Amino acid sequence: DQQVKQNSPSLSVQEGRISILNCDYTNSMFDYFLWYKKYPAEGPTFLISISSIKDKNEDGRFTVFLNKSAKHLSLHIVPSQPGDSAVYFCAATANSGNTPLVFGKGTRLSVIA
Amino acid sequence: GAVVSQHPSWVICKSGTSVKIECRSLDFQATTMFWYRQFPKQSLMLMATSNEGSKATYEQGVEKDKFLINHASLTLSTLTVTSAHPEDSSFYICSAMGQSSYGYTFGSGTRLTVV
Repeated sequence: DQQVKQNSPSLSVQEGRISILNCDYTNSMFDYFLWYKKYPAEGPTFLISISSIKDKNEDGRFTVFLNKSAKHLSLHIVPSQPGDSAVYFCAATANSGNTPLVFGKGTRLSVIA
Repeated sequence: GAVVSQHPSWVICKSGTSVKIECRSLDFQATTMFWYRQFPKQSLMLMATSNEGSKATYEQGVEKDKFLINHASLTLSTLTVTSAHPEDSSFYICSAMGQSSYGYTFGSGTRLTVV
């Protein structure tokens, strides 16, 4: 049973346009959500996070939106750049402290120049 | 910022041998270490959670006798894949947590190939 789902395995966007990556979750106990960027054969790099008490968090070109009622979050990247091309993982955790992250399967973003 | 050093970055071993992967937190004390495994085009799957000085907690389906985890100090955790087989070939990643909440820091990963 996959608790964190990224239903789009890949996404292609033109440089300068907006990239929207989606993530759904099933566990209502999740209260903190994170987005990671990952290149092949490297560890994930933290991008942005959001607590369940918020519905939006913005950091530069990256904005994460959380819709708790729909158990849905999305990562917006604008404007998209070729260097953004990577696999993006959505992750969630149920508690503060030592709870491990639960990851989605990832979405491969390709930004075309 | 917090850094986790993971070694080796890649290793090729013969079937039946054992391989040790190390994760060190360089500038913070890692009270908890998580070990993940990623197969091609799949998600990062949690294998086990270890707290310094205590036995690791393994996820369902992960053989604790095959994947030995040692977290003997607040800066070092090791994962030993014993009697490795080709199906153990995967990308292994550690993640360390320090004192602050939601402070997950990942290592750079280890690509294990068993031939």
